[in-house]
Amino acid sequence: KQEVTQIPAALSVPEGENLVLNCSFTDSAIYNLQWFRQDPGKGLTSLLLIQSSQREQTSGRLNASLDKSSGRSTLYIAASQPGDSATYLCAVTYGNNRLAFGKGNQVVVIP
Amino acid sequence: DGGITQSPKYLFRKEGQNVTLSCEQNLNHDAMYWYRQDPGQGLRLIYYSQIVNDFQKGDIAEGYSVSREKKESFPLTVTSAQKNPTAFYLCASSTPSGRADTQYFGPGTRLTVL
Repeated sequence: KQEVTQIPAALSVPEGENLVLNCSFTDSAIYNLQWFRQDPGKGLTSLLLIQSSQREQTSGRLNASLDKSSGRSTLYIAASQPGDSATYLCAVTYGNNRLAFGKGNQVVVIP
Repeated sequence: DGGITQSPKYLFRKEGQNVTLSCEQNLNHDAMYWYRQDPGQGLRLIYYSQIVNDFQKGDIAEGYSVSREKKESFPLTVTSAQKNPTAFYLCASSTPSGRADTQYFGPGTRLTVL
């Protein structure tokens, strides 16, 4: 069974610092890996999707890397802003387009 | 605007009652999904449907039922057999062409059992 772990569960950083969020998964037979953002009481917004054949994806201040063989992904957020405060969820696609989610990294950026 | 709508936003249920959560999408997606989220937890898959008139159980299907009579709609019924239904429910859709597509999520329904 695919299991996804995110470390740390929660973190606070001063505004302007870079954020580093980690995700690991147990089965390397994945089709892709996604990072989502979730604001309190809201749905999920897709941030980045990395195909299994790719090593990284970038969008603005966000960069995500994927090391499929070791079962790891890292999301980097450069120059964090208070608006980046949210929960970030990592998910891998496996099987019949099913997603396995981690429990999330809850981020607070302190002005 | 294309997207996924869920209704109601908040739902209260008395013990022993069945309730139905609505999920509608106008993205012309073939696949639709229902997830449950508990505080501090990741999302867990309840049911999914790849095409109309077909659906499969996810990891936690007990106490839930679904139907897929139309491509746009995938309602979820929480039955009285679900022992702990208080949670945040999220619906998603995707087009399963290849494995390259992300899932798009609705805004969610928060269900509380009184």
